[in-house]
Amino acid sequence: AQTIHQWPVAEIKAVGSPLSLGCTIKGKSSPNLYWYWQATGGTLQQLFYSITVGQVESVVQLNLSASRPKDDQFILSTEKLLLSHSGFYLCAWSLPGGVQDTQYFGPGTRLLVL
Amino acid sequence: GDQVEQSPSALSLHEGTDSALRCNFTTTMRSVQWFRQNSRGSLISLFYLASGTKENGRLKSAFDSKERRYSTLHIRDAQLEDSGTYFCAAANSGGSNYKLTFGKGTLLTVTP
Repeated sequence: AQTIHQWPVAEIKAVGSPLSLGCTIKGKSSPNLYWYWQATGGTLQQLFYSITVGQVESVVQLNLSASRPKDDQFILSTEKLLLSHSGFYLCAWSLPGGVQDTQYFGPGTRLLVL
Repeated sequence: GDQVEQSPSALSLHEGTDSALRCNFTTTMRSVQWFRQNSRGSLISLFYLASGTKENGRLKSAFDSKERRYSTLHIRDAQLEDSGTYFCAAANSGGSNYKLTFGKGTLLTVTP
């Protein structure tokens, strides 16, 4: 069975500090991976997606960047946090290939920037 | 403007009643997914549709196969555990297979 982990579970960070959030998928080779951001009480905004190692497409950057250093790992980061980065970050995966399919979401990371 | 318009924004149901949520799309969509988000933030996939209808227990979803401009989620015999925020998300027919646009959600509260 496939499992998706996100770390950390929650973070409180200062404005201007760096950030790194991680996502790992186990039990599925070469998944498509996605990062989403959700403001408190808001909807989900897709940020990035990746269909293969080393390749990341940006949907909405929000002064964030993403990388896929391994087949099963997706990293979201920034060198300088803004207050507007606060929210809930969700990683998701879908089956490999070019056909749109169900996306399965991780448990998320809550970020508070002060 | 928003490509995915979800309604209603909030809904209160008594246990045992039926209702429907709707998503209208401002452009033709390739597929639609429905999710439920619980109070902890976990997002559960309910349905993925490229066309037609799907049913799972008391939930049933439909995607307009002809014009591909709306989708519905029907809840039958609502139970307390159905409470949560329901999102639809759609992939644009003219866009990438991987880009999903979410609606603003429907906050559903089921009461005894």
